[in-house]
Amino acid sequence: GENVEQHPSTLSVQEGDSAVIKCTYSDSASNYFPWYKQELGKRPQLIIDIRSNVGEKKDQRIAVTLNKTAKHFSLHITETQPEDSAVYFCAATHSGNTPLVFGKGTRLSVIA
Amino acid sequence: DGGITQSPKYLFRKEGQNVTLSCEQNLNHDAMYWYRQDPGQGLRLIYYSQIVNDFQKGDIAEGYSVSREKKESFPLTVTSAQKNPTAFYLCASSIGRGGETQYFGPGTRLLVL
Repeated sequence: GENVEQHPSTLSVQEGDSAVIKCTYSDSASNYFPWYKQELGKRPQLIIDIRSNVGEKKDQRIAVTLNKTAKHFSLHITETQPEDSAVYFCAATHSGNTPLVFGKGTRLSVIA
Repeated sequence: DGGITQSPKYLFRKEGQNVTLSCEQNLNHDAMYWYRQDPGQGLRLIYYSQIVNDFQKGDIAEGYSVSREKKESFPLTVTSAQKNPTAFYLCASSIGRGGETQYFGPGTRLLVL
């Protein structure tokens, strides 16, 4: 089955700097890769996703890149703000009857 | 995700007691999921259901049971066989049966007395 590895587990950046979180997956059939943000005590919320027919997707300060050959995808946050502080989870799956498989999460701290 | 509700927000379990966590969605989603989250940990899949009257075990199903009698409801029972039930439990749903975005409920925090 699918296995998703996420790095780093914690990340601290200065406000205004960029943050990058990386994930690798094992199943070459996976074709859907969402990213979730979870604030303390709250539910995970989808912030961006990408499908395997696209190499990059942007939404304002957030972007995701996908390298199918290397089987890894990354979340990029530019001009970080204190409200970006949260735990971020990557996930992967392929179309069909399989649930998402999540990475273990990255705790991002943005220092003002 | 505003269409997924979980209750109660906090639940206390006594030794040897079974407790049931509620999850309801009005999004007309086919699939529903239960995850367990421990402090500083990721999301571990307990059970999922892709259609009414059918469900599948996830990675950590032991000590838990579910039912899916209605499309909009997917309750989770934490049985006395689950020896370490203290965790944050998240329910999710997706429009199809795999490969789509999952939307999460607000969660139930289960504590053992």
